[in-house]
Amino acid sequence: DVVMAQSPLSLPVTLGQPASISCRSSQSLVYSDGNTYLNWFQQRPGQSPRRLIYKVSNRDSGVPDRFSGSGSGTDFTLKISRVEAEDVGVYYCMQGTHWPWTFGQGTKVEIK
Amino acid sequence: EVQLVESGGGLVQPGGSLRLSCAASGFTFSTYWMAWVRQAPGKGLEWLANIKQDGSEKYYVDSVKGRFTISRDNAKNSLYLQMNSLRAEDTAVYYCARGPVRGGGDCWGQGTLVTVSS
Repeated sequence: DVVMAQSPLSLPVTLGQPASISCRSSQSLVYSDGNTYLNWFQQRPGQSPRRLIYKVSNRDSGVPDRFSGSGSGTDFTLKISRVEAEDVGVYYCMQGTHWPWTFGQGTKVEIK
Repeated sequence: EVQLVESGGGLVQPGGSLRLSCAASGFTFSTYWMAWVRQAPGKGLEWLANIKQDGSEKYYVDSVKGRFTISRDNAKNSLYLQMNSLRAEDTAVYYCARGPVRGGGDCWGQGTLVTVSS
């Protein structure tokens, strides 16, 4: 199975400051159709996961533009340009290229 | 409004069975791949199974293959997960998600808790 390694696992951030989460896969996530199925999810405390970004860099409807995704191949990043209080939670990367789909361990974002 | 509502969770003994349901509304259910994902208490996410729009293709992660069965009833806008031979390690919140599933699902339900314990 493809292993998704996130770092850091814990990320204390000051309100208004940027945050960055790295996700590395054990294999290339480029699928035979040319797409890279790397997705990012946010899970706020007590809530279901919510997708933020799909196929590396496409923001879901309603997701603030302070969230952005980038990367290619095996190396990906989720950035929050200015962290707000509502961004507290756990963030997961997930690959949908190689079955079974797999998630990273999660990165807990908290306010300092 | 797109909505997915899971039900059927509860306490079951090891070796027992349970059937989860996911009621879909607000979209044309029959045109979407669907999936089940679970999260053990305090742990990360595990993608379990996918099912194609007409039910003709199904995929399972090894940890549940042969024990769990994903199915759907498009006439009832419902997704199911039949879980047999349950183990303590199957204890988790189970979520249904709407496809396209390679994208991780753009809509998830609120989850239903399954506890396997004697």
